[in-house]
Order: sequence, then C-alpha cells, then structure tokens
Amino acid sequence: QQKVQQSPESLSVPEGGMASLNCTSSDRNFQYFWWYRQHSGEGPKALMSIFSDGDKKEGRFTAHLNKASLHVSLHIRDSQPSDSALYFCAASEPSGTYQRFGTGTKLQVVP
Amino acid sequence: EAAVTQSPRNKVTVTGGNVTLSCRQTNSHNYMYWYRQDTGHGLRLIHYSYGAGNLQIGDVPDGYKATRTTQEDFFLLLELASPSQTSLYFCASSGTGGAYAEQFFGPGTRLTVL
Repeated sequence: QQKVQQSPESLSVPEGGMASLNCTSSDRNFQYFWWYRQHSGEGPKALMSIFSDGDKKEGRFTAHLNKASLHVSLHIRDSQPSDSALYFCAASEPSGTYQRFGTGTKLQVVP
Repeated sequence: EAAVTQSPRNKVTVTGGNVTLSCRQTNSHNYMYWYRQDTGHGLRLIHYSYGAGNLQIGDVPDGYKATRTTQEDFFLLLELASPSQTSLYFCASSGTGGAYAEQFFGPGTRLTVL
C-alpha cells in the first residue's frame, strides 16, 4: 500500500506559469515532509523540508503543510524549462530513521 | 556538498547471477540507504543502516542482502538475480537527523537482469 500519494502523475505548464504539486500521507504518524527533485539521468536532490503547519518559501518554491489533513503541496512560480523534472514528496518515519517516498510527479515546463 | 558515489553505473547480468552494487559516501554520515526506482512506484526503500555493522530492513527487502562494512561503504547484494530486479538503484546518505535530515543521493546504477 502506498502511504505517500502524489498527484497529479504528470503536469505540463507554460514557461513563466505556476506549477502546483500535491502530496498526502495516509498514515497520521508521518507528519514531516521533504520535497526532492530529480532531473533525467541524475539522483534526486532535496529542494526543501516543511515540518510545521503553514507556508515555507524558498525563492520561487513555496511549500504548504496542513497537518490536520496530512496534505502538503509544492508551488513553483515563474516556472522555467530547467524546472522540468520528476518531483518526489517524502514523509519522515516517526522513529526518525528513514523517509518514505511517493510515486512522483513529472513536471514539464513548455517554452 | 555531500558526495555519494556508486559503482558500477551500469550492469547487465543473467538470471541466477550474483551482483554487488557499491556505494561510498565521504561526509561521515551515519545513515545510508538503498532504494530502487521503478516507473509507477517511485523510490522504494530496500535496506538501510545507521552505522558500520548495522543493517535494517526496508519496505522491499526480498531477494536483497546488504552490508555496511565501514562508515563510508554500503553494499547491496543480489545473490540469485531475477528479471524482476531489473531497475534503477540509488544509494543515499544522511546525517545524524536521520529521517528529518536531507538525504544526499548518488548518481544511480542501472541494473538489467536478462
């Protein structure tokens, strides 16, 4: 069973547009989240973490966490072709030893 | 930035063959992880370790063994490879924060089992 679910599976946005990615945990114990980005042919790289309710902004990237619904989103404003990648949400396991990853959202930014 | 290297980068073997995937991190991280990546499944945790000699089972351990020989080195062993183990394998490491710390990934090993 997939405890961390992401939507949509794929997303296409125009250059300069806003991309919105979603992630939900089905286990209330997994309340701390990371976002990772993977460009083709590379390993994933961390974008940002969010552990508290509300928004966290880092440059063009904003994460929003709602612990009550176990929902986290990632918003990318002014999307660039270089943002085209596979984005993973990961939830931290409560004992603190590993992260559980979702299935990913493939983002394509069209010039 | 944390450095994680993997070898080989590509490997082809036959069903029933033995394969060892290697991972080294040079940042004195406590935690190391092995994942497989498959379309539609994302990244799935195979085994992980929080120090030399320690080994923990992940979500998809069947058919895999792992060994952490030093703080730096973590190996994934497939003793009787099967076509279902054809996949892209990633190693990662993280510091003392464990699940709450950033994971640093290697470049991956593409394994094909014929």
